[in-house]
Amino acid sequence: EIVLTQSPGTLSLSPGERATLSCRASQSVSSSYLVWYQQKPGQAPRLLIYGASSRATGIPDRFSGSGSGTDFTLTISRLEPEDFAVYYCQQYGSLPLTFGPGTKVGIK
Amino acid sequence: QVQLQESGPGLVKPSETLSLTCTVSGGSISNNYWSWIRQPAGKGLEWVGRISASGSTNLNPSLKSRVSMSVDTSKNQFSLSLSSVTAADTAVYYCARGGSYNNYWGQGTLVTVSS
Repeated sequence: EIVLTQSPGTLSLSPGERATLSCRASQSVSSSYLVWYQQKPGQAPRLLIYGASSRATGIPDRFSGSGSGTDFTLTISRLEPEDFAVYYCQQYGSLPLTFGPGTKVGIK
Repeated sequence: QVQLQESGPGLVKPSETLSLTCTVSGGSISNNYWSWIRQPAGKGLEWVGRISASGSTNLNPSLKSRVSMSVDTSKNQFSLSLSSVTAADTAVYYCARGGSYNNYWGQGTLVTVSS
């Protein structure tokens, strides 16, 4: 099973700032089969990025994903008020599918 | 627009079986994989398993001995069954479209295991 670790656990930033979130895998994720989700309180997760770097339909271009192998990054170029949420990475390169523990992006 | 809706009891007694159904609207359940993911309160997401429209399943090994899934294409529904539940199975259960990653999710349903 691939274990995903996310850092930092919490990120405190102001609107307009840049957010950089890390997701590290315990072994290489094949074909960069990694996604990022955003989750707000009381809501289901929302798909942001698939294939490590492809934005899902309707996702603003301030969200970008990068990385390969064991190290992946989600970058939010300029935080908007609606971006404060918890972000999860998930790998789909091997079964069982696994999620990271999440990074909370909070308002400073 | 595809929509998913979970349904089932919100309270299940310990040692009993949790049963949930997901109804898909706005699209056919055929030619897709469908998933169950759960989330204990205040915690992260856990993949429970996935089922194809033809009924082929992949289940999380941590739950495999207790989990089964089924699909009813005539009703555009798929279902989850989790046996011998304990308090550790208390969570919000989501159904979602996709077998690798999920672009459409239900709103989630809270299932509490308690006597």
